[in-house]
Amino acid sequence: EAEVAQSPRYKITEKSQAVAFWCDPISGHATLYWYRQILGQGPELLVQFQDESVVDDSQLPKDRFSAERLKGVDSTLKIQPAELGDSAMYLCASSLTGGFYEQYFGPGTRLTVT
Amino acid sequence: DQQVKQNSPSLSVQEGRISILNCDYTNSMFDYFLWYKKYPAEGPTFLISISSIKDKNEDGRFTVFLNKSAKHLSLHIVPSQPGDSAVYFCAASETGYALNFGKGTSLLVTP
Repeated sequence: EAEVAQSPRYKITEKSQAVAFWCDPISGHATLYWYRQILGQGPELLVQFQDESVVDDSQLPKDRFSAERLKGVDSTLKIQPAELGDSAMYLCASSLTGGFYEQYFGPGTRLTVT
Repeated sequence: DQQVKQNSPSLSVQEGRISILNCDYTNSMFDYFLWYKKYPAEGPTFLISISSIKDKNEDGRFTVFLNKSAKHLSLHIVPSQPGDSAVYFCAASETGYALNFGKGTSLLVTP
C-alpha cells in the first residue's frame, strides 16, 4: 500500500539553529500539505501545494519558515532560526487533488527545540 | 478561532458496546467532513468521510452521521474493540481547501 514518507522521524535542535524536514507524497498525488500539531491539539495547516505552486500559506510564519516543492513531487519544510515554541509534530499529507479527496498523512517528524 | 470542536477530550467504552464520538462545527461553508484515527507516534489515518449532500455514511463497523441544521456530526463504532483505542479527530473543509481539525477525543475500549 502506498504511503507518505517523511524524514527524519525525530529531530532535536537548539534554538537559533536551522532545521529541515522532507516529505515524499503518494505517487500521483497532486496536492501536498504541511501541518503542525502541538500536543493536545489537532493538526493546523501551514502550507498547501497544488503541484509545484503554493495554494495557501496564510498560516506559515514566513519570517522563519519556508517550504518548497520544486518539481511538484517531494517537498521540504525549513525553519530558520528555530524557536522553543516550534517544538511540535510536523505532518505531511497528500491527496489526489483538492476537493472531495481524502488526505493521507505520513508518520510525522517530532521536533524538539532546546 | 476553533471552527471544529470536539467537546469530549476522552471517552471510555466496554468492548462490544457502541462508541459515539461527537463533533460540532461553526462554519456553514464546510461541505466535506472526515474522521481520522491516530495512534501515538504515528500520523493520522483516514477512517471515514461524508459530504454535505448526505446525512449518513457507513463503512463496516463505522458510521458517520451529519446533521447540517445543527452543524453536528457523530461517529458511531459498533461493536467497539480494544484495537479501536486511539485518538479520533474530526475534520472539516470547504471544497479544495485544507482540513480544519478538532482537538481530538481519546477513546479507550476496555475488555
